[in-house]
Amino acid sequence: NAGVMQNPRHLVRRRGQEARLRCSPMKGHSHVYWYRQLPEEGLKFMVYLQKENIIDESGMPKERFSAEFPKEGPSILRIQQVVRGDSAAYFCASSPPGESGEKLFFGSGTQLSVL
Amino acid sequence: DAKTTQPPSMDCAEGRAANLPCNHSTISGNEYVYWYRQIHSQGPQYIIHGLKNNETNEMASLIITEDRKSSTLILPHATLRDTAVYYCIVFPGGSEKLVFGKGTKLTVNP
Repeated sequence: NAGVMQNPRHLVRRRGQEARLRCSPMKGHSHVYWYRQLPEEGLKFMVYLQKENIIDESGMPKERFSAEFPKEGPSILRIQQVVRGDSAAYFCASSPPGESGEKLFFGSGTQLSVL
Repeated sequence: DAKTTQPPSMDCAEGRAANLPCNHSTISGNEYVYWYRQIHSQGPQYIIHGLKNNETNEMASLIITEDRKSSTLILPHATLRDTAVYYCIVFPGGSEKLVFGKGTKLTVNP
């Protein structure tokens, strides 16, 4: 059973470009969470999604950031018009139905670097 | 925000037990104590959780005080690969999200 898969592992973008981060949850998992970790800081919750629904986006910046988890395919975290402050590690986690936020399985993350 | 207090860093000799403390004096009756760790440049990894009884699994033991205001994670025989940041999290369950604090950076020395 493959774990949570995130790609790309490293992503380099210039200021103003768009960044798309993909996350495939573990098989059978229907809950996806995105966290961001700025350099030398802790993990900050961004958004919690179930299939086709955003459940909690209280940690998402109001502009430029969006997330989706379609019926088919991976969850996508999209950052438009990236700025240097968006440089961070972005982690995705998943959990199975019936177990929401407690026992999460994390991916290896995507390291976003904005030049 | 995080409802726990942990020392920022600890050291442990390889092969010895690592005891990581956590204070959660405002914990509610329905809140669990969860422990995760994050090895450098990797995603966090679930270790163990408990409500009020002590728990043990293949990775660690969790000791929760009777009043539930504090707990200790025990790695019985620390190895170099246990060097990581350890997060103690109080979590009520349901649709809440895990909130990570700053954790304890454990360094296991040879």
